[in-house]
Amino acid sequence: DAKTTQPNSMESNEEEPVHLPCNHSTISGTDYIHWYRQLPSQGPEYVIHGLTSNVNNRMASLAIAEDRKSSTLILHRATLRDAAVYYCILNSGGSGNTGKLIFGQGTTLQVKP
Amino acid sequence: EAQVTQNPRYLITVTGKKLTVTCSQNMNHEYMSWYRQDPGLGLRQIYYSMNVEVTDKGDVPEGYKVSRKEKRNFPLILESPSPNQTSLYFCATGGGAYEQYFGPGTRLTVT
Repeated sequence: DAKTTQPNSMESNEEEPVHLPCNHSTISGTDYIHWYRQLPSQGPEYVIHGLTSNVNNRMASLAIAEDRKSSTLILHRATLRDAAVYYCILNSGGSGNTGKLIFGQGTTLQVKP
Repeated sequence: EAQVTQNPRYLITVTGKKLTVTCSQNMNHEYMSWYRQDPGLGLRQIYYSMNVEVTDKGDVPEGYKVSRKEKRNFPLILESPSPNQTSLYFCATGGGAYEQYFGPGTRLTVT
């Protein structure tokens, strides 16, 4: 399974944009890039996913590099409720896909008021 | 409202006493799975099910059983729990390469 690399922690100020980076240099052509987050005392929560093109939804934006070896999750205006561990995960969309999500250590985002 | 429910949410039990953690989803998803989360080890998949009556092992299946007799339910069974199964357990459902939805978690302590 292809691996991802994320910074252990990041800090942001409330109401400012946050850019969370992820490197995945061994990504394969069928790997989707997923982002999940886990708030304290809760289960992981889906944030966004993409394959090649940049994606936007109500929670965040996902910017994918042209060579797909890296991506950035963008929270446009961080709130205190966005303080969580953010996981960047590759999940193959091929026929052998078992749906397994491989969670690394993620990035712990701290949001300061 | 789309939901994944787990019961119980908290459980303290003793070594060797069989227990079942239930998981139920109302999203009509075919795919369901179980993860455990431990400090320093992150979330690891225990078992998964692609459809009714189809289950397979994840990365850490030892000491666990599952069954999938109907689409909405995927119980996790610990026939003879041991202290190393003390953990936080999450059930998940969803669509393979697409988004998955996780339950609220079950905190299990085995003494």
